[in-house]
Amino acid sequence: GENVEQHPSTLSVQEGDSAVIKCTYSDSASNYFPWYKQELGKGPQLIIDIRSNVGEKKDQRIAVTLNKTAKHFSLHITETQPEDSAVYFCAAGRGYGKLTFGQGTILTVHP
Amino acid sequence: DTAVSQTPKYLVTQMGNDKSIKCEQNLGHDTMYWYKQDSKKFLKIMFSYNNKELIINETVPNRFSPKSPDKAHLNLHINSLELGDSAVYFCASSQDTGSEKLLFGSGTQLSVL
Repeated sequence: GENVEQHPSTLSVQEGDSAVIKCTYSDSASNYFPWYKQELGKGPQLIIDIRSNVGEKKDQRIAVTLNKTAKHFSLHITETQPEDSAVYFCAAGRGYGKLTFGQGTILTVHP
Repeated sequence: DTAVSQTPKYLVTQMGNDKSIKCEQNLGHDTMYWYKQDSKKFLKIMFSYNNKELIINETVPNRFSPKSPDKAHLNLHINSLELGDSAVYFCASSQDTGSEKLLFGSGTQLSVL
């Protein structure tokens, strides 16, 4: 089955800095790569996603890049703000709604 | 509010008891899921239903039985609760099995004493 590895497990940055979280996946048939943000006491919320026919996608301060050959994808957050502090999860899927999640990254943005 | 809502938010119970968690979505989605998040925050799929039919059943003990009376509801019944069942359980939905954009509920924190 699919295996998704996510790094780092914790990330601490100063407000205004950039944050990068990286994931690798094992199943070359995976074709959908979402990123979720989970705030304390809440469910994960989809923030951005990318499909395997696209190399990069951007939405305001967040961007995701995908290297299908190397089987890795990354989340980039620029100009971080304290409200970006949360747990971030990457995931990989190949259809029929089954996602395999990474282990999560606790991002802390210090004012 | 259009959302995925699950109840209760907190559930504290003794080992050996039977309990249920309810989930409802008013988005008109065809597919619903149960995910389990353990103490290390690891999220793993348990079940998915598409239009009341079981699609995914991961290696979950048969003490866990999902029930979908209609496509807007997916409840989770757990028999003979064990200490290791303590976790946060998330319900989610997506438009259909081809759409992997999951919308999660706010979770049910289950504590088995």
